[in-house]
Amino acid sequence: RKEVEQDPGPFNVPEGATVAFNCTYSNSASQSFFWYRQDCRKEPKLLMSVYSSGNEDGRFTAQLNRASQYISLLIRDSKLSDSATYLCVVNTKYSSASKIIFGSGTRLSIRP
Amino acid sequence: DTAVSQTPKYLVTQMGNDKSIKCEQNLGHDTMYWYKQDSKKFLKIMFSYNNKELIINETVPNRFSPKSPDKAHLNLHINSLELGDSAVYFCASADRLSSYNEQFFGPGTRLTVL
Repeated sequence: RKEVEQDPGPFNVPEGATVAFNCTYSNSASQSFFWYRQDCRKEPKLLMSVYSSGNEDGRFTAQLNRASQYISLLIRDSKLSDSATYLCVVNTKYSSASKIIFGSGTRLSIRP
Repeated sequence: DTAVSQTPKYLVTQMGNDKSIKCEQNLGHDTMYWYKQDSKKFLKIMFSYNNKELIINETVPNRFSPKSPDKAHLNLHINSLELGDSAVYFCASADRLSSYNEQFFGPGTRLTVL
């Protein structure tokens, strides 16, 4: 089983739709979780951190389910500009270092 | 001003050559990273440095040698380049060696080995 798994997509949804992605992780000791966004031929950029209680930033909501070991990202009222690849990132702290693992990304394409 | 910069942006070279990629961050961060993103878009960490000290060294061939002359710079030298080294290499930095900190990525260096 991969340490971090995402549905690669692509998700192709109309503008205004709500879309959700999940990301599962295998290490129950993982401590911190993030969603990054990567546009085509660009660098990844932080979209939002994921907190245990769940968090919202405008149209974006992130949730963490530690019992089932997954995180989710919900995008409401999707815009054309939301088209990108969304990377799930899981960080696990060991004694002297952290292990950072990126998921392979979920491609989202918003159509007019 | 670019927060994390990398040079060159594109690098095309022959198998067997030695090349270097430079990275600089002006954010005052303590921690810097090198990542490789292959053609399938998997982004894998290669190295992590904290205050010029190597912290993470994932399973990377020893043809790859990072060098950190100061905490604002982390360069990547690659010896005897192979076809499989073709990828986009991203440098990143973070404020501290903490699992909760955002990473800021450079624009990437697209390496093509012929």
